[in-house]
Amino acid sequence: QQPVQSPQAVILREGEDAVINCSSSKALYSVHWYRQKHGEAPVFLMILLKGGEQKGHEKISASFNEKKQQSSLYLTASQLSYSGTYFCGTESTGAGNNRKLIWGLGTSLAVNP
Amino acid sequence: DVKVTQSSRYLVKRTGEKVFLECVQDMDHENMFWYRQDPGLGLRLIYFSYDVKMKEKGDIPEGYSVSREKKERFSLILESASTNQTSMYLCASVFPNTGELFFGEGSRLTVL
Repeated sequence: QQPVQSPQAVILREGEDAVINCSSSKALYSVHWYRQKHGEAPVFLMILLKGGEQKGHEKISASFNEKKQQSSLYLTASQLSYSGTYFCGTESTGAGNNRKLIWGLGTSLAVNP
Repeated sequence: DVKVTQSSRYLVKRTGEKVFLECVQDMDHENMFWYRQDPGLGLRLIYFSYDVKMKEKGDIPEGYSVSREKKERFSLILESASTNQTSMYLCASVFPNTGELFFGEGSRLTVL
């Protein structure tokens, strides 16, 4: 039931692009993306709801393909500040405000100068 | 700004001790969560609460209990700490309109 994130880790040079994938074996209602820097709390990036939408947040955007039960996070022209671990959390029912997410294991992203 | 505050960043306890982890949020959110985070296992839900005095077990509730006497405060209790409860504990509340989770800074518990 736990979504699978790929890759597990990625190393970039500043300015390079990356894609992080999150795949589920269950039908999804929503996918949530968070970033956690070492020693800090996870921070919200975006939520994508069923409907195949794409969202953007500065140079970070994401898509959600409900038929494939997967979401992809796109980081373009990466900056040093993008370093951290990226988690996807999935919600399989439109349970309103319960927000009981099932989390992937995370993708570690390191951006080097 | 929403603030979720966890009372202790670092704790060291002995096996068998009772441990209280406190979490306070200042945005009047109804839903609050306790997770533990372990390398290789990710974030796992221990308990969540959807209102005062209302609670529901998450995926790994064994060895834990919770208390929610006031809307802003959600406490995690380890009745008798064991070494396998050494972990990072994260509290979160959810903004109902967007589903955004706000996390506290975390409490790193070491049980010796």
